[in-house]
Amino acid sequence: NAGVTQTPKFQVLKTGQSMTLQCAQDMNHEYMSWYRQDPGMGLRLIHYSVGAGITDQGEVPNGYNVSRSTTEDFPLRLLSAAPSQTSVYFCASGSKSEGRRGYTFGSGTRLTVV
Amino acid sequence: RKEVEQDPGPFNVPEGATVAFNCTYSNSASQSFFWYRQDCRKEPKLLMSVYSSGNEDGRFTAQLNRASQYISLLIRDSKLSDSATYLCVVSRYLTGGFKTIFGAGTRLFVKA
Repeated sequence: NAGVTQTPKFQVLKTGQSMTLQCAQDMNHEYMSWYRQDPGMGLRLIHYSVGAGITDQGEVPNGYNVSRSTTEDFPLRLLSAAPSQTSVYFCASGSKSEGRRGYTFGSGTRLTVV
Repeated sequence: RKEVEQDPGPFNVPEGATVAFNCTYSNSASQSFFWYRQDCRKEPKLLMSVYSSGNEDGRFTAQLNRASQYISLLIRDSKLSDSATYLCVVSRYLTGGFKTIFGAGTRLFVKA
């Protein structure tokens, strides 16, 4: 009964480093998305995917890449980390056919860029 | 203007009080509406969906007014465990999926 699994839970990066945040779901959800949450800003959509092989940009996509080679996995790649990317990152998944049921979130990744 | 707006609070209420949260959204094409709860340093969790007819889940009642583009959440008989941030969420369907916008949240502190 894993739901949405995110790794790592915590990460410190130096400016300019790259890394990948992992997200996996075992609910066969078509829809997956990445959000970042900053104090007072709420959740802002970075990228989303409506199915394997299909991705699109959200509200704040700059500095991030995604891919969706399988239904289960939706990794988020930081190309060259910047202090402005210090945030809490949440991955979420949902069913297209059950859009009214909302999303299931992972437990988050707390990223600090120094 | 933000697409989903909420009063950030915080709301400080005693146990047993009734508290109401309001939310407005700007896109009239929005089709699905939710309230999520987020505890400190945790992920958001779905509290309830919101329907035009209004819906109730125990001490929680949600209302939607499409004409005014307004959503509300009422919590009766507040418990200490209700202390959290409550997020108003609005979705609309796009080709192949849906776009979901989160409000910034309203913080609630329930005190003994």
